Amino acid sequence: DVVLTQTPPTLSATIGQSVSISCRSSQSLLHSNGNTYLHWLLQRPGQSPQLLIYLVSRLESGVPNRFSGSGSGTDFTLKISGVEAEDLGVYYCVQGTHAPYTFGAGTKLELK
Amino acid sequence: QVQLKESGPGLVQPSQTLSLTCTVSGFSLTSYNVHWVRQPPGKGLEWMGRMRYNGDTSYNSALKSRLSISRDTSKNQVFLKMNSLQTDDTGTYYCTRHLFDYWGQGVMVTVSS
Repeated sequence: DVVLTQTPPTLSATIGQSVSISCRSSQSLLHSNGNTYLHWLLQRPGQSPQLLIYLVSRLESGVPNRFSGSGSGTDFTLKISGVEAEDLGVYYCVQGTHAPYTFGAGTKLELK
Repeated sequence: QVQLKESGPGLVQPSQTLSLTCTVSGFSLTSYNVHWVRQPPGKGLEWMGRMRYNGDTSYNSALKSRLSISRDTSKNQVFLKMNSLQTDDTGTYYCTRHLFDYWGQGVMVTVSS
């Protein structure tokens, strides 16, 4: 099974600070159809997860453009350019290239 | 609009079988995949399995021997059945669509006698 390693496990930030989260895969997430099925989710406390970024870098509708995704193959990054209070919660990467699909362990974003 | 809603018992006894239903609206099960994802209290997300748009299924390797996912397209429902439940199966169970773009509210399942 594919293992996704997220770092850091916890991130402390001030409002307005830019931060990045890394997600590294144990094998390439490039599918034979040319797509890379690596997505980023945010779970706010007490809520269901919500999709932020899909297929590495595509911004989900309604998600602020301070969120961006990048990467290829086995290394991926989520960047928040100017953290806002509503961004606090746990961020997960998830891969849908190789079944069984897998989630990263999560990165908790806290206010410093 | 797209909606998913999980339903099922909140309490299951150890060794018994869990049966959950995900009722969807706003899209067709023959066009989109539906996944089941669970989350133990205070822990991360775990992918359980998937019902593909064409009826194929895939399962988490660790749960495969206990888990079954099926559907009724006429009722817009996807079903999860997992047997031999233990206390560490306690958690919130979600169904989610396709690229994890829409999620249900989740259903909390407690395994306890």
